Amino acid sequence: QKEVEQDPGPLSVPEGAIVSLNCTYSNSAFQYFMWYRQYSRKGPELLMYTYSSGNKEDGRFTAQVDKSSKYISLFIRDSQPSDSATYLCAMSSNTGGFKTIFGAGTRLFVKA
Amino acid sequence: GAVVSQHPSWVICKSGTSVKIECRSLDFQATTMFWYRQFPKQSLMLMATSNEGSKATYEQGVEKDKFLINHASLTLSTLTVTSAHPEDSSFYICSARVGTEGHTQYFGPGTRLTVL
Repeated sequence: QKEVEQDPGPLSVPEGAIVSLNCTYSNSAFQYFMWYRQYSRKGPELLMYTYSSGNKEDGRFTAQVDKSSKYISLFIRDSQPSDSATYLCAMSSNTGGFKTIFGAGTRLFVKA
Repeated sequence: GAVVSQHPSWVICKSGTSVKIECRSLDFQATTMFWYRQFPKQSLMLMATSNEGSKATYEQGVEKDKFLINHASLTLSTLTVTSAHPEDSSFYICSARVGTEGHTQYFGPGTRLTVL
């Protein structure tokens, strides 16, 4: 079993739709939860991060962490064609040298 | 802020030659730098972790003598692919971390290496 599981997609939605991206994990020691966006042939850019459980909102993006279920989500409201990218979840803990573990990434296509 | 650059952005080389990739943190000092490899439609694979002034820590299965990492300063790390072969063709991405928490990791734009 991988430490972080993420459906690779692809996920195709019409413009304006609400997108839900998810990851599950197995290591209960994870404390930091991040979402990165990666455009084709570019490096990942940090979208949002959450420490421990809870929700965090930033514009059209909302990140949720449920540590009891070991489940994290990223919601994108009013999706735009420019949101088309690969979204990677990532997580790390204070142990193990703060190594960050990445999900496989979900490819998202938002159609105009 | 928190900009990481990589040079070159793409490189084509002949089999058997060596290629050096630079990773720089432009507006901050990085305590730790990471090197990743990414195959098409796959996630990031951590190759090694480097701290300034010390030897890099390589992940299992990564050849130390093939992928040489030098972290000479708090703003510069280099990855040298020695005696490159076609199977080394990939997208190499570096990242730099400011502190110790996971969210303080910032990625470079990547370097696409093609070995003929």
